[in-house]
Amino acid sequence: GAVVSQHPSRVICKSGTSVKIECRSLDFQATTMFWYRQFPKQSLMLMATSNEGSKATYEQGVEKDKFLINHASLTLSTLTVTSAHPEDSSFYICSAKGGTNSPLHFGNGTRLTVT
Amino acid sequence: AQSVTQLGSHVSVSEGALVLLRCNYSSSVPPYLFWYVQYPNQGLQLLLKYTTGATLVKGINGFEAEFKKSETSFHLTKPSAHMSDAAEYFCAVRAGTASKLTFGTGTRLQVTL
Repeated sequence: GAVVSQHPSRVICKSGTSVKIECRSLDFQATTMFWYRQFPKQSLMLMATSNEGSKATYEQGVEKDKFLINHASLTLSTLTVTSAHPEDSSFYICSAKGGTNSPLHFGNGTRLTVT
Repeated sequence: AQSVTQLGSHVSVSEGALVLLRCNYSSSVPPYLFWYVQYPNQGLQLLLKYTTGATLVKGINGFEAEFKKSETSFHLTKPSAHMSDAAEYFCAVRAGTASKLTFGTGTRLQVTL
Protein backbone atom coordinates (compact mmCIF):
# COMPACT_ATOMS: atom_id res chain seq x y z
CA GLY A 1 0.00 0.00 0.00
CA ALA A 2 0.91 3.65 -0.13
CA VAL A 3 3.63 4.70 2.26
CA VAL A 4 4.85 8.06 3.43
CA SER A 5 8.38 8.16 4.76
CA GLN A 6 9.40 10.89 7.17
CA HIS A 7 13.02 11.49 8.11
CA PRO A 8 14.58 11.83 10.58
CA SER A 9 12.45 10.17 13.23
CA ARG A 10 14.29 11.98 15.98
CA VAL A 11 16.59 14.98 15.99
CA ILE A 12 18.27 16.96 18.71
CA CYS A 13 19.72 20.32 17.85
CA LYS A 14 21.14 23.33 19.61
CA SER A 15 19.23 26.55 19.96
CA GLY A 16 19.81 28.85 17.00
CA THR A 17 20.47 26.14 14.45
CA SER A 18 18.16 25.03 11.64
CA VAL A 19 16.69 21.61 11.15
CA LYS A 20 15.26 20.08 7.98
CA ILE A 21 12.61 17.37 8.02
CA GLU A 22 11.82 15.39 4.90
CA CYS A 23 8.53 13.83 3.89
CA ARG A 24 8.48 11.47 0.93
CA SER A 25 5.68 9.61 -0.75
CA LEU A 26 7.18 6.28 -1.73
CA ASP A 27 4.73 4.79 -4.19
CA PHE A 28 2.41 7.56 -5.27
CA GLN A 29 2.60 11.13 -6.44
CA ALA A 30 1.61 13.49 -3.67
CA THR A 31 -0.02 16.56 -5.13
CA THR A 32 -0.73 17.88 -1.66
CA MET A 33 1.23 17.52 1.55
CA PHE A 34 0.33 18.70 5.00
CA TRP A 35 2.52 19.51 7.98
CA TYR A 36 1.23 19.15 11.52
CA ARG A 37 2.63 19.88 14.92
CA GLN A 38 1.65 17.89 17.95
CA PHE A 39 2.38 18.92 21.51
CA PRO A 40 2.50 16.25 24.26
CA LYS A 41 -0.91 14.79 24.98
CA GLN A 42 -2.55 17.12 22.49
CA SER A 43 -4.06 16.90 19.06
CA LEU A 44 -2.47 17.57 15.72
CA MET A 45 -2.46 21.20 14.71
CA LEU A 46 -2.23 21.87 11.00
CA MET A 47 0.68 24.17 10.27
CA ALA A 48 0.55 24.44 6.51
CA THR A 49 -0.67 22.89 3.30
CA SER A 50 1.70 22.60 0.37
CA ASN A 51 0.90 21.85 -3.23
CA GLU A 52 3.64 20.73 -5.56
CA GLY A 53 5.24 23.63 -7.36
CA SER A 54 3.49 26.39 -5.45
CA LYS A 55 3.95 28.26 -2.21
CA ALA A 56 2.66 26.69 0.95
CA THR A 57 -0.48 27.99 2.60
CA TYR A 58 0.15 28.57 6.28
CA GLU A 59 -2.44 28.43 9.03
CA GLN A 60 -3.08 31.47 11.12
CA GLY A 61 -0.43 32.01 13.74
CA VAL A 62 2.24 29.92 12.01
CA GLU A 63 5.34 31.92 11.09
CA LYS A 64 6.16 31.17 7.48
CA ASP A 65 9.67 32.60 7.81
CA LYS A 66 10.39 30.30 10.70
CA PHE A 67 8.84 27.16 9.28
CA LEU A 68 9.99 26.99 5.68
CA ILE A 69 8.15 24.51 3.52
CA ASN A 70 9.32 23.37 0.12
CA HIS A 71 7.36 21.00 -2.10
CA ALA A 72 9.62 20.90 -5.11
CA SER A 73 8.55 17.54 -6.49
CA LEU A 74 5.55 15.24 -6.44
CA THR A 75 7.26 12.92 -3.99
CA LEU A 76 9.08 15.23 -1.61
CA SER A 77 8.21 18.03 0.77
CA THR A 78 10.55 19.48 3.36
CA LEU A 79 9.95 21.46 6.51
CA THR A 80 12.86 23.53 7.77
CA VAL A 81 12.68 24.92 11.27
CA THR A 82 14.95 27.93 11.14
CA SER A 83 16.80 29.34 14.14
CA ALA A 84 15.21 26.74 16.36
CA HIS A 85 14.46 27.50 19.99
CA PRO A 86 13.46 25.21 22.85
CA GLU A 87 9.81 26.17 22.41
CA ASP A 88 9.95 24.66 18.92
CA SER A 89 10.52 21.26 20.49
CA SER A 90 7.59 19.15 19.41
CA PHE A 91 6.44 16.20 17.33
CA TYR A 92 6.08 17.12 13.67
CA ILE A 93 4.02 14.93 11.37
CA CYS A 94 3.53 15.13 7.63
CA SER A 95 0.78 13.66 5.53
CA ALA A 96 0.29 13.34 1.81
CA LYS A 97 -2.45 12.65 -0.69
CA GLY A 98 -2.46 11.99 -4.38
CA GLY A 99 -5.55 13.88 -5.47
CA THR A 100 -8.88 15.30 -4.34
CA ASN A 101 -10.49 11.95 -3.62
CA SER A 102 -7.32 10.13 -2.64
CA PRO A 103 -6.77 8.90 0.89
CA LEU A 104 -4.49 10.74 3.25
CA HIS A 105 -1.35 8.93 4.35
CA PHE A 106 0.70 9.95 7.36
CA GLY A 107 4.40 9.77 8.04
CA ASN A 108 5.65 8.38 11.34
CA GLY A 109 6.58 11.80 12.66
CA THR A 110 9.75 13.55 13.75
CA ARG A 111 10.52 14.24 17.39
CA LEU A 112 12.42 17.52 17.51
CA THR A 113 14.25 18.50 20.69
CA VAL A 114 15.98 21.85 20.82
CA THR A 115 18.46 22.26 23.65
CA ALA B 1 -16.34 25.91 9.49
CA GLN B 2 -15.83 22.48 11.00
CA SER B 3 -14.91 21.19 14.40
CA VAL B 4 -14.66 17.97 16.34
CA THR B 5 -15.25 17.27 20.01
CA GLN B 6 -14.03 14.10 21.63
CA LEU B 7 -15.61 13.49 25.01
CA GLY B 8 -13.18 11.98 27.45
CA SER B 9 -9.46 12.49 27.08
CA HIS B 10 -8.83 9.16 28.77
CA VAL B 11 -10.87 5.95 28.70
CA SER B 12 -9.98 2.79 30.55
CA VAL B 13 -11.57 -0.59 29.85
CA SER B 14 -10.86 -4.15 30.85
CA GLU B 15 -9.59 -6.59 28.28
CA GLY B 16 -12.61 -8.17 26.59
CA ALA B 17 -14.92 -5.29 27.45
CA LEU B 18 -16.72 -3.02 25.04
CA VAL B 19 -14.81 -0.01 23.77
CA LEU B 20 -16.76 3.19 23.16
CA LEU B 21 -14.97 6.38 22.17
CA ARG B 22 -17.18 9.37 21.59
CA CYS B 23 -16.95 11.93 18.83
CA ASN B 24 -19.28 14.77 17.92
CA TYR B 25 -18.73 17.02 14.96
CA SER B 26 -19.83 20.29 13.52
CA SER B 27 -19.76 21.00 9.81
CA SER B 28 -21.50 23.47 7.54
CA VAL B 29 -21.58 20.94 4.70
CA PRO B 30 -22.02 17.17 4.65
CA PRO B 31 -18.95 15.90 6.45
CA TYR B 32 -16.41 13.23 5.78
CA LEU B 33 -15.52 11.64 9.12
CA PHE B 34 -12.47 9.67 10.14
CA TRP B 35 -10.99 7.80 13.06
CA TYR B 36 -7.24 7.47 13.37
CA VAL B 37 -5.08 5.58 15.84
CA GLN B 38 -1.67 6.75 17.00
CA TYR B 39 0.85 4.61 18.83
CA PRO B 40 3.62 6.31 20.83
CA ASN B 41 6.07 8.30 18.75
CA GLN B 42 4.39 7.30 15.52
CA GLY B 43 2.20 8.90 12.91
CA LEU B 44 -1.47 8.25 12.44
CA GLN B 45 -3.05 5.16 10.99
CA LEU B 46 -6.51 5.29 9.48
CA LEU B 47 -8.97 3.02 11.28
CA LEU B 48 -12.06 3.82 9.25
CA LYS B 49 -13.88 6.59 7.46
CA TYR B 50 -17.34 7.69 6.48
CA THR B 51 -17.90 9.60 3.27
CA THR B 52 -21.32 8.73 1.88
CA GLY B 53 -23.61 5.72 1.81
CA ALA B 54 -23.92 3.23 4.63
CA THR B 55 -23.82 4.96 7.98
CA LEU B 56 -22.25 2.04 9.81
CA VAL B 57 -18.67 1.69 8.71
CA LYS B 58 -16.32 -1.09 9.61
CA GLY B 59 -12.62 -0.58 9.93
CA ILE B 60 -9.47 -2.44 10.76
CA ASN B 61 -8.78 -4.34 13.97
CA GLY B 62 -12.48 -4.96 14.63
CA PHE B 63 -13.44 -1.32 15.07
CA GLU B 64 -16.57 0.23 13.66
CA ALA B 65 -18.33 3.57 13.84
CA GLU B 66 -21.81 4.81 13.06
CA PHE B 67 -22.57 8.16 11.49
CA LYS B 68 -25.65 9.65 13.11
CA LYS B 69 -26.58 12.89 11.42
CA SER B 70 -29.39 13.67 13.86
CA GLU B 71 -26.95 13.47 16.75
CA THR B 72 -23.95 14.86 14.82
CA SER B 73 -21.99 11.93 16.18
CA PHE B 74 -19.50 9.40 14.92
CA HIS B 75 -18.69 7.23 17.92
CA LEU B 76 -16.09 4.49 17.64
CA THR B 77 -16.79 1.06 19.07
CA LYS B 78 -15.23 -2.36 19.38
CA PRO B 79 -17.07 -5.27 21.00
CA SER B 80 -14.08 -6.71 22.83
CA ALA B 81 -10.97 -4.76 23.78
CA HIS B 82 -7.53 -6.25 23.36
CA MET B 83 -4.35 -5.14 25.08
CA SER B 84 -2.93 -4.12 21.71
CA ASP B 85 -5.73 -1.56 21.33
CA ALA B 86 -4.11 0.68 23.91
CA ALA B 87 -3.23 3.85 22.00
CA GLU B 88 -4.38 7.39 21.28
CA TYR B 89 -7.44 7.73 19.07
CA PHE B 90 -8.32 10.80 17.05
CA CYS B 91 -11.60 11.65 15.42
CA ALA B 92 -11.36 14.00 12.43
CA VAL B 93 -13.73 15.81 10.10
CA ARG B 94 -13.34 17.18 6.64
CA ALA B 95 -15.87 19.41 4.91
CA GLY B 96 -16.74 17.26 1.93
CA THR B 97 -13.91 17.07 -0.57
CA ALA B 98 -12.02 20.01 0.90
CA SER B 99 -8.42 19.36 1.75
CA LYS B 100 -8.24 20.46 5.35
CA LEU B 101 -8.72 17.85 8.03
CA THR B 102 -9.63 18.99 11.53
CA PHE B 103 -8.74 16.72 14.41
CA GLY B 104 -10.28 16.29 17.80
CA THR B 105 -8.13 16.48 20.91
CA GLY B 106 -7.76 12.73 21.11
CA THR B 107 -8.75 10.00 23.55
CA ARG B 108 -6.19 7.80 25.18
CA LEU B 109 -7.48 4.26 25.50
CA GLN B 110 -6.06 2.15 28.30
CA VAL B 111 -6.78 -1.57 28.39
CA THR B 112 -6.33 -3.37 31.68
CA LEU B 113 -6.21 -7.05 32.57
